[in-house]
Amino acid sequence: DGGITQSPKYLFRKEGQNVTLSCEQNLNHDAMYWYRQDPGQGLRLIYYSQIVNDFQKGDIAEGYSVSREKKESFPLTVTSAQKNPTAFYLCASTWGLRSYNEQFFGPGTRLTVL
Amino acid sequence: AQSVAQPEDQVNVAEGNPLTVKCTYSVSGNPYLFWYVQYPNRGLQFLLKYITGDNLVKGSYGFEAEFNKSQTSFHLKKPSALVSDSALYFCAVRDADAGNMLTFGGGTRLMVKP
Repeated sequence: DGGITQSPKYLFRKEGQNVTLSCEQNLNHDAMYWYRQDPGQGLRLIYYSQIVNDFQKGDIAEGYSVSREKKESFPLTVTSAQKNPTAFYLCASTWGLRSYNEQFFGPGTRLTVL
Repeated sequence: AQSVAQPEDQVNVAEGNPLTVKCTYSVSGNPYLFWYVQYPNRGLQFLLKYITGDNLVKGSYGFEAEFNKSQTSFHLKKPSALVSDSALYFCAVRDADAGNMLTFGGGTRLMVKP
């Protein structure tokens, strides 16, 4: 799982609550990403960020928000507007958006809506 | 647009036999291709990548992959499977000339039986 940490490992949310998932990296990577993984499916991109204070929507950004106030941190907030948030969430980072280098992944956060 | 197809949801092999996990891709320009492995409730781990050069790429844990431009394929192979290789494998592609994002295939579950 490299130098990326995600917390918490498991998260339970009640209907209508916002929750924030933490992602921190000590790899000095510029680009960071959030993916959602559902059972039996591949990874879908939620948001990505190339530099501090800048981020872009991915394929499934609705109901999610992010911030990038520090290079090493890229928290994801799952809002009450996300209708089906139960999933496994993965954070990743790499040296640059156009880099041919591989992405490093965190260990993931499993979110369950009660 | 770029896309990746992993045509097999699951591959079953006996321990000691060779294994192949298939991947085909579609990009407008030249591809950067990646293979990742995921163990249960964990993040993705990088196995190998093709950027340019030799079509046979060697990676971690004895895995290798062959880039075939004419067939737009990047199949993952290992000469002798281990039970511990049982996991979920993802192929990913990025358009080297135009794309910013990785696109992942849906994943293939590899089951190695003793």
